[in-house]
This record gives sequence, C-alpha cells and structure tokens, in this order.
Amino acid sequence: AQSVTQPDIHITVSEGASLELRCNYSYGATPYLFWYVQSPGQGLQLLLKYFSGDTLVQGIKGFEAEFKRSQSSFNLRKPSVHWSDAAEYFCAVGGSNAGGTSYGKLTFGQGTILTVHP
Amino acid sequence: DGGITQSPKYLFRKEGQNVTLSCEQNLNHDAMYWYRQDPGQGLRLIYYSQIVNDFQKGDIAEGYSVSREKKESFPLTVTSAQKNPTAFYLCATALASLGRSNNEQFFGPGTRLTVL
Repeated sequence: AQSVTQPDIHITVSEGASLELRCNYSYGATPYLFWYVQSPGQGLQLLLKYFSGDTLVQGIKGFEAEFKRSQSSFNLRKPSVHWSDAAEYFCAVGGSNAGGTSYGKLTFGQGTILTVHP
Repeated sequence: DGGITQSPKYLFRKEGQNVTLSCEQNLNHDAMYWYRQDPGQGLRLIYYSQIVNDFQKGDIAEGYSVSREKKESFPLTVTSAQKNPTAFYLCATALASLGRSNNEQFFGPGTRLTVL
C-alpha cells in the first residue's frame, strides 16, 4: 500500500530564511507526487507536481521540489520565505493506474504547519 | 467561472440527524472525491467516484453515503451512524478517464461540520 510521511509536524522559520519541508513516500511503481498548500479554513491549492522527466520541478509562489528515487523523497524548498507562506503543506502520492484500479486516488501525508516569524 | 463549489461553508447538526453536504463542479471532470480532515491527521478518503452512477468506498466510509446521479454533482450524506462527524470536509475533482489518471486533484473550499 502506498503511504506518505511528513516527519515535521510544525516548522518555524524567520522571514527571508530558506525553507525545506520533508516528504518521504512508499509506492510500488513510478509515483506521481504533489505538494499542496492550505490556508486556515480553506481548500487545498496545488503548488507543484512531478509525473516524470526532470527531477527538479518548479511550482508557483517560488517553490520547487526535487524527486529523489533512491531516497523515496520529494522535499519542498523555497530560498526565501515570505510571511504570506505561513500555512499548512501537504505532500501526496498517487500512481499511474493504466490497466489498474487506483481511480486516480491520492494518499496524503499528515501535513506540516509552517509558521513565519517577522 | 469554472470551479468547485461546496455548500454550506458552515453546518451545524444535532446528534442523531442526517445531514447532506453539497459539492458541484463545472470543470467537466470525471472523477470526484470526498475527504475528511481532522487536525494532525491529514486528509482521509471517504468515497470517490470515477463515473456517473458508480462510486467506491474509501478508507473511512462507515457512517457516510454518497450518490453520483450527475457528472457535476457528488453530494455526501453524513448519517447518524457516524460517531464523530465534527470535521472539515473537502470535495475534490480530477480529470480522469476510466482506467487512466495522472491523479492531479482540484479542491473545493470545504465545509466545516459541527455536531452540537
């Protein structure tokens, strides 16, 4: 069964500092990987996604993530955090269901809450 | 204006009552999903549907029911059998033809259900 682990429940950084949010996944085939962001009381917004090809993917709001198959990781990074980045971040994994029955399901990590200090 | 709408935004229910949460989309997406979100537990899949008149149980379907009579609509009923229904409920859609999907999901704004 597929699973996602976000080891850090809560991270605090200063505005302008760099950020890395960790994500480790377990999946038996080639994964599709996603990072979503959620502001309090809101739905989830897609930051970036990895399907295939270049393992370093760029997303919205200056975020990037790197797929490392050998480490089963897909960590999210941002070189300089802004106060508006404070939110909860979710990593998710799905997979190609060609001929399979996954029906496009995603498995989500438990989330990492980001606090930004001025 | 394309998107996913969920209504109501806030919902209060007395114990023992059934309540239905609405999810409507005009993205022409085939697949629709219902998630429950509790603090510190991420998103847990309740039900999903890839095509009209067909749906499958997710990981926590007990105490919930759904229907998919139209492509645009996927209402979720929280029944009195759900022992702890207070949570934030999220609806999502995906452009998925039967048998193939890249899993990218788009989310509605959510409904917060509180049982009094």
